[in-house]
Amino acid sequence: AQRVTQPEKLLSVFKGAPVELKCNYSYSGSPELFWYVQYSRQRLQLLLRHISRESIKGFTADLNKGETSFHLKKPFAQEEDSAMYYCALQGGGSEKLVFGKGTKLTVNP
Amino acid sequence: GAVVSQHPSRVICKSGTSVKIECRSLDFQATTMFWYRQFPKQSLMLMATSNEGSKATYEQGVEKDKFLINHASLTLSTLTVTSAHPEDSSFYICSASGAGGLADTQYFGPGTRLTVL
Repeated sequence: AQRVTQPEKLLSVFKGAPVELKCNYSYSGSPELFWYVQYSRQRLQLLLRHISRESIKGFTADLNKGETSFHLKKPFAQEEDSAMYYCALQGGGSEKLVFGKGTKLTVNP
Repeated sequence: GAVVSQHPSRVICKSGTSVKIECRSLDFQATTMFWYRQFPKQSLMLMATSNEGSKATYEQGVEKDKFLINHASLTLSTLTVTSAHPEDSSFYICSASGAGGLADTQYFGPGTRLTVL
């Protein structure tokens, strides 16, 4: 079964501090992993996907198959990063996404 | 580019009535559309996957006779909640894929808040 776990419901950091949002997955094959972000009163939007190996808005995420993790990191958090972050998995050639429960990040001034 | 709209954004209805929610891809042809349900402070749960011109594939536990999905064109999918009851009150979100460059990237609509009285 495919499963995505985000252990932290809430995460609060100060502006300029490093931030790491954890994501672990359970999948027997080779997954595609995504981070989606939802800013207040806005729709869900793609932040990054592991296959692109991009850095978006200063965020990066590395797929660690040994630890089955895809943690999202940013070295210096900004207030505008405050949002809900969802980790999602896609596997088995299917387009279906399985979402984690999300982590609400608050960056305090 | 890759904009998905939903209509209505908010709907309140009486128990026993049916409600239709539209999902449109505005600037691309969506080969696949997805319907999700999100309960307060919880994650998105996939309800069904629909491909243009074919029957939707429902996830386990989702009643296909209650949640009717039609994907009649490459830019429009509809979700009809039939004989709605208060427990159907939720936030319904659609997404669409098929926008070219990243063919399997899903682009999300803004969601529809359904309240059944």
